[in-house]
Amino acid sequence: DAGITQSPRHKVTETGTPVTLRCHQTENHRYMYWYRQDPGHGLRLIHYSYGVKDTDKGEVSDGYSVSRSKTEDFLLTLESATSSQTSVYFCAISGPNTGELFFGEGSRLTVL
Amino acid sequence: AQSVAQPEDQVNVAEGNPLTVKCTYSVSGNPYLFWYVQYPNRGLQFLLKYITGDNLVKGSYGFEAEFNKSQTSFHLKKPSALVSDSALYFCAVRDQSGGSYIPTFGRGTSLIVHP
Repeated sequence: DAGITQSPRHKVTETGTPVTLRCHQTENHRYMYWYRQDPGHGLRLIHYSYGVKDTDKGEVSDGYSVSRSKTEDFLLTLESATSSQTSVYFCAISGPNTGELFFGEGSRLTVL
Repeated sequence: AQSVAQPEDQVNVAEGNPLTVKCTYSVSGNPYLFWYVQYPNRGLQFLLKYITGDNLVKGSYGFEAEFNKSQTSFHLKKPSALVSDSALYFCAVRDQSGGSYIPTFGRGTSLIVHP
């Protein structure tokens, strides 16, 4: 299995509080992604990174920010969590060349 | 633009019978095509991919997929289903010529294999 670790795996928080999810990889891959998975919507891309300090928005980026200060870490921040951000969040990294993705185990976030 | 469709939300099959999970795609150039599987409370796992060459691609756990360029399809198949194959399956596509390395995922198909 690809070396991808997400933390925390479960979190319950209240509306309006900041939340940071961490993704750590040991594969030294250049590309990293954050997705959210919701029933009826499949996987939706939030943000992605193509290198240290190089990030870009996905299709559902509103309310989220990311940072990548090291190759191995990609952080997803909810500045002020809302109930609509209750979801399961997946980090992924890209394999070389053809770009198959390898996913972490997910972080389940509940915003009350 | 690239897109992928999985026309069935759910597929039901009896154990031991062949299974097919359908996927169609749209790209401007040539596609990279992928299948992933997700077991309950787990992340997605890469199953197989089509890059070029043989239209029949073999992957993990006895799964295979057939690339059909004329029908723009990449259906996932297995000759004999197991109860343990029950999971959520995602198809994904990436345009080889589009310059983007971001894949587009389908909405997923729930496969239920009955004993």
